[in-house]
Amino acid sequence: GAVVSQHPSRVICKSGTSVKIECRSLDFQATTMFWYRQFPKQSLMLMATSNEGSKATYEQGVEKDKFLINHASLTLSTLTVTSAHPEDSSFYICSAPIGTDGNQPQHFGDGTRLSIL
Amino acid sequence: EDKVVQSPLSLVVHEGDTVTLNCSYEVTNFRSLLWYKQEKKAPTFLFMLTSSGIEKKSGRLSSILDKKELFSILNITATQTGDSAVYLCAVADYNTDKLIFGTGTRLQVFP
Repeated sequence: GAVVSQHPSRVICKSGTSVKIECRSLDFQATTMFWYRQFPKQSLMLMATSNEGSKATYEQGVEKDKFLINHASLTLSTLTVTSAHPEDSSFYICSAPIGTDGNQPQHFGDGTRLSIL
Repeated sequence: EDKVVQSPLSLVVHEGDTVTLNCSYEVTNFRSLLWYKQEKKAPTFLFMLTSSGIEKKSGRLSSILDKKELFSILNITATQTGDSAVYLCAVADYNTDKLIFGTGTRLQVFP
């Protein structure tokens, strides 16, 4: 069964709307979670590392004021796309590693397909 | 700059064929190499490889890592239409656990 749950699976909204995406680890604690973006026919690009109890670490070129990340508990990280515009339309996916020793693979949520009109 | 390169970019085969997907990498702080299968949603985990020369197998799929030559292969024997997907190779950074993904290989299996 799924070990990482992501919600919602699909969002269609008007330009200027802020959209919140949730990523939950099921039955395990995740001090770190990762947020990726995937454009059509392209690979996954890491946006940021979400750290429980501290600020997220953003990859170069990713606007932290645009993509707000909150990792308030050991099982939940949220990504908020603020004032979304059509160019933000994409597939957003979170992942979490089980354990902290690096010997377990990262598992992915089912992704959120965001369409901004 | 760390990078992961997959080849071929796409592959079209008939059911029953055997395919080999390639992944080469240049990553400074290598921890592990992972293979994922992506259909319409998010990637699903296939294999994680950390040691050279030890083949991992799951049904018709198998994979092996060569840490000296910095590459891995994913083999699929007796392909089925359900194997059609994008296969992603990723390398985990030892210090940060970040995954660096390749561009993927799009496999289409026709009956």
